Amino acid sequence: GQNIDQPTEMTATEGAIVQINCTYQTSGFNGLFWYQQHAGEAPTFLSYNVLDGLEEKGRFSSFLSRSKGYSYLLLKELQMKDSASYLCLSMDSNYQLIWGAGTKLIIKP
Amino acid sequence: ETGVTQTPRHLVMGMTNKKSLKCEQHLGHNAMYWYKQSAKKPLELMFVYNFKEQTENNSVPSRFSPECPNSSHLFLHLHTLQPEDSALYLCASSQDESAGGANVLTFGAGSRLTVL
Repeated sequence: GQNIDQPTEMTATEGAIVQINCTYQTSGFNGLFWYQQHAGEAPTFLSYNVLDGLEEKGRFSSFLSRSKGYSYLLLKELQMKDSASYLCLSMDSNYQLIWGAGTKLIIKP
Repeated sequence: ETGVTQTPRHLVMGMTNKKSLKCEQHLGHNAMYWYKQSAKKPLELMFVYNFKEQTENNSVPSRFSPECPNSSHLFLHLHTLQPEDSALYLCASSQDESAGGANVLTFGAGSRLTVL
């Protein structure tokens, strides 16, 4: 079956770096997305990877290894406003989106 | 107004009530989606409309009935719901359902539904 695995919850310190891992199993592959969702708000798009490697966007970077079915989201210089849930999702060969349950990131001062 | 707007933001209803959720987008997108979000579970895709045609109905019970009168508006009609239907219902839109990596979803803030 199709599946996305990511940790349920992580805690990090303000100013530090955190890596949120995601593994996926899908029927075919058309890319992997990361979304951010603050409590009570809409999920918002962070990144899309379809080729192996690291994509950097300011303090956030996303990595993909297609051979390993693995991705991570790297957040640097953490700020309190980064406290949110981070949703990993994969797109299969039929362009269907397979969602993970999300990782709740708690930032402590 | 821009983005995706959902109303109402909060809804409490009894099991015998009939209500509707509304979603509106002003992004010029051609695909619109209803998702159900329950605590600590992955988003569940309920319905997809692409160019006003329903392309996905993910085995959703008939007590949920979607309506897409035009490419900017999407409704979810609710009747005789069960307490387990209590959840956050998210509407989203995208350029085109089959656009691959360009299929970035823009979500509304959701309608929090409580069924008593």
